[in-house]
Formats: sequence, C-alpha cells, structure tokens
Amino acid sequence: GQSLEQPSEVTAVEGAIVQINCTYQTSGFYGLSWYQQHDGGAPTFLSYNGLDGLEETGRFSSFLSRSDSYGYLLLQELQMKDSASYFCAGLMDSNYQLIWGAGTKLIIKP
Amino acid sequence: ETGVTQTPRHLVMGMTNKKSLKCEQHLGHNAMYWYKQSAKKPLELMFVYNFKEQTENNSVPSRFSPECPNSSHLFLHLHTLQPEDSALYLCASSQDGDRPIQYFGAGTRLSVL
Repeated sequence: GQSLEQPSEVTAVEGAIVQINCTYQTSGFYGLSWYQQHDGGAPTFLSYNGLDGLEETGRFSSFLSRSDSYGYLLLQELQMKDSASYFCAGLMDSNYQLIWGAGTKLIIKP
Repeated sequence: ETGVTQTPRHLVMGMTNKKSLKCEQHLGHNAMYWYKQSAKKPLELMFVYNFKEQTENNSVPSRFSPECPNSSHLFLHLHTLQPEDSALYLCASSQDGDRPIQYFGAGTRLSVL
C-alpha cells in the first residue's frame, strides 16, 4: 500500500536545529510536500521537492532522495513559534493527489 | 480576508440530524478538496472537485454528500452520521496545475453524539 512514515513527536531547544524525517513506501511517487499546522489552525504549505536534492526557504529546508524513499524537513534557528505539527505529503502520479503522513508534533523548549 | 473560509468552525449534531459544511475560496483556484483529519492519523482525502466536476471519491460513505455549485464554493452535506465521524473536516483549494501546494481553511470541528 501507499504510506508515509514520520516520527510522532520531536523535542528541541530554542535556537537549535531539528530534522524531521519522512520515509515512504509507495510506487508512482511524484514529489514530496511539507506542511505546518499550529494547534487549532489550518495546515499551511512550507515546501515541495519535485526533484532530488535540497530546497531552501529561509530558516526551513527540505530534502528528497528518491533512491532512498526518504525526505526530511530541516528547521534552523528554532523559535517558539515553530512549535506545531509538521506533515509530509507525497504527490502520486497516478491521480495527482497528495497522500499524507500522520504528522510530527514539534515541541520547542526554551 | 482569508483565502479559504470554512463555516461553521464547530458543529455538534445528533446521529439523526442533517447539516451542511460550507467552504469558500477567494484565490481564483479551480480545484477544491474535502479532507477528514482525526487525531494522530494522516489526513484522509474524501473528495476532489476540478472545474466543478468531481474527480475523486475515496470510498466515502454515502452519508457524506459533496456539492460544488461553482469553482469558489464547496459544500459537504451530512446526514445520519456515526460517532466515529467526529473529526476535523478541512477544505482546501489549489490551482489544478499546482497540486502539491494546497491552501487550507481552518476546518470545522464536528462532534457526532
């Protein structure tokens, strides 16, 4: 079946760097998106990797390796406002829809 | 004005009730989606509309009935729901050619008693 696995919870310290991994087991995979969702809020788009390699957007970077069926989101210079859940979502080439991971809750300590 | 607006934000209904969720997008997109979000589970895609035509129905029970009167509005009609249908229902939109990037509403928190 199609699935994306990510850790359920990650804890980090303010100002530090954290990496959230996402592995997938699926065929017909087109690319990987990342979304952020604060408690009670809407998921918001962070980045998309359509090609292997690193995409950088400010303090956030995302990486994809198709040969390893693996991607990650890297958050640098963590701020308290980064406390949220982060979701990876794979874009399937069969129907061009997103298949979602269960989300990683990022807890940031002062 | 937010890009995607959902109403109501909270809804409590009995199993015999009929209610509707509403979604409106102000982004000029032509694809709209309904998702179900349950705690600690992946978002479940329910329905997709592309240029007002339904293109996906992921084996959703018939007690959920979508309606898309135009490319800016999307409804989810609910009837005879079950307690396990309690969840956050999210609406999203995208440009058809840019589906990795979806814009979400804040959702409707549904409780079925």
